[in-house]
Amino acid sequence: QKEVEQNSGPLSVPEGAIASLNCTYSDRGSQSFFWYRQYSGKSPELIMSIYSNGDKEDGRFTAQLNKASQYVSLLIRDSQPSDSATYLCAVSLIGNEKLTFGTGTRLTIIP
Amino acid sequence: DTEVTQTPKHLVMGMTNKKSLKCEQHMGHRAMYWYKQKAKKPPELMFVYSYEKLSINESVPSRFSPECPNSSLLNLHLHALQPEDSALYLCASSSQEGKGYEQFFGPGTRLTVL
Repeated sequence: QKEVEQNSGPLSVPEGAIASLNCTYSDRGSQSFFWYRQYSGKSPELIMSIYSNGDKEDGRFTAQLNKASQYVSLLIRDSQPSDSATYLCAVSLIGNEKLTFGTGTRLTIIP
Repeated sequence: DTEVTQTPKHLVMGMTNKKSLKCEQHMGHRAMYWYKQKAKKPPELMFVYSYEKLSINESVPSRFSPECPNSSLLNLHLHALQPEDSALYLCASSSQEGKGYEQFFGPGTRLTVL
């Protein structure tokens, strides 16, 4: 059983709409949650970190965490073609060096 | 300045060659990581150095040999690789402070083994 699961997509969203990316995890001891964006042929770029239940907003990005449901999501408002990328969800135990990655969701923003 | 640098950007080597990948960070981070990433897969952890000591080895074959000369530098020595070792090799670093160890990745080295 996978520890971190994401819908592999591709997820297609019209430009200007809200893109919603979801991630579930199996280890209830998980305390740290990260979203990375990875463009084709490039390295992952950290875009959001979240540690507490609720929402965390940074510009057009909002991360949402629900530990009871073991669910973390990323919302991208006013989606732009430059948001087209693979989004990786990563999870770790508190104070743990090891990240467990999901398989990633490929997002395509349609102009 | 959240920057991790890696050299070379691209490397082509034969199965009998010996080569090294280099990684450097100047963020004062105390942990450094090597990952391997194949196409359309997530990064796969290979090694972790914490305070210049090897803390995690994910059962990586001995043809990959990591080295941490100091807190800013991380090397990966390669010897007798196989074509299936062709991948993007990523270095990352983290501060090991606070709640979560945010990891920042370098641009990667694209390795091709012939």
